[in-house]
Amino acid sequence: RKEVEQDPGPFNVPEGATVAFNCTYSNSASQSFFWYRQDCRKEPKLLMSVYSSGNEDGRFTAQLNRASQYISLLIRDSKLSDSATYLCVLGTGTGGFKTIFGAGTRLFVKA
Amino acid sequence: DVKVTQSSRYLVKRTGEKVFLECVQDMDHENMFWYRQDPGLGLRLIYFSYDVKMKEKGDIPEGYSVSREKKERFSLILESASTNQTSMYLCASTPDSQNRPQHFGDGTRLSIL
Repeated sequence: RKEVEQDPGPFNVPEGATVAFNCTYSNSASQSFFWYRQDCRKEPKLLMSVYSSGNEDGRFTAQLNRASQYISLLIRDSKLSDSATYLCVLGTGTGGFKTIFGAGTRLFVKA
Repeated sequence: DVKVTQSSRYLVKRTGEKVFLECVQDMDHENMFWYRQDPGLGLRLIYFSYDVKMKEKGDIPEGYSVSREKKERFSLILESASTNQTSMYLCASTPDSQNRPQHFGDGTRLSIL
């Protein structure tokens, strides 16, 4: 089983739609969680950290469910500029530290 | 704002050449990383360093080596380039070992002919 699993998509949604991505992880010792965004042929950029209580940044909401070992990202009122690949990223912190990247979920927002 | 700079955006080399990829960060970060990213495989860690002159193997170190002589600079070396090393190479850094988010450079798209 992969350490981090994401639906590769693509998700095709119209402008203004709400879209949600999930990411499951296998290591219960994972300590930190992030969502990154990556545009085509560009580097990954931090979108937001994910906290146990859930957190929101404008149109983006991230949640963590430790019991079921998944994190989620909700995008409301999708914009054309939201089209990108969204990477789920975990830090385990055991035996030092280790960062695990999901393969990403592709999102296309169309007019 | 954190700045991670990679020396080249695009690079074309020949099989058997020794290739150097350079990465510099300007935020005094202790930890630096080299990844490669291939379609369908996501980011895979090649090597990382948590201090000057310190290095640790990642998941796919074969065919690569690294050098960290100064805190701000982390170099990736392909000892004898092969076509299966054609990839996007990404450098990243973080300030400490508490699982802070990593900051990435622009990436180097390397083609080995």
